[in-house]
Amino acid sequence: DAGVIQSPRHEVTEMGQEVTLRCKPISGHDYLFWYRQTMMRGLELLIYFNNNVPIDDSGMPEDRFSAKMPNASFSTLKIQPSEPRDSAVYFCASSPGGKETQYFGPGTRLLVL
Amino acid sequence: SQQGEEDPQALSIQEGENATMNCSYKTSINNLQWYRQNSGRGLVHLILIRSNEREKHSGRLRVTLDTSKKSSSLLITASRAADTASYFCATVESGGSYIPTFGRGTSLIVHP
Repeated sequence: DAGVIQSPRHEVTEMGQEVTLRCKPISGHDYLFWYRQTMMRGLELLIYFNNNVPIDDSGMPEDRFSAKMPNASFSTLKIQPSEPRDSAVYFCASSPGGKETQYFGPGTRLLVL
Repeated sequence: SQQGEEDPQALSIQEGENATMNCSYKTSINNLQWYRQNSGRGLVHLILIRSNEREKHSGRLRVTLDTSKKSSSLLITASRAADTASYFCATVESGGSYIPTFGRGTSLIVHP
């Protein structure tokens, strides 16, 4: 299995631009998680899906953030418009059950100038 | 939701020494998970220990769980420079959302 795949691996953009991060979970996993990691705030859970349905988005910082999971093999996290404080590493993870082991992707390192 | 807290925040040891990291939490758990994160990489699962288990081993790793003290420890024996990484515990609360909640991690440096 290829593991969780994220793209792009690095993204540099200017303030105000739209940013779309992509994730392909491990086949057969019914939970998908989006996290943000910064030195200041550590690892934050933004949103998670179960069977493609968003279950808890209380970690999404603002309305500028949105996430979708149109099918079991693809999810996106969109930031529109982006701001410098959104600069962070964004991780996608999937698991075969909510309370079970999570498998993390390599992350997308986002820099908003 | 509760969050495991790792201790110490940072640990620096020499190769060959043992490294011990601790995780404390506040409420009843279903399971507790330990992960490793190498610099610039995603988190990698190490060990999951369930609330009815007291100890688990995986290679040079040993995890203990004391539910009466609401704490867990991760022991890395005979450490190597390649063990340099951040180590996170994640707790799954009983009766809650059943989603792991991650702590801030322990940064381990192993000097060759």
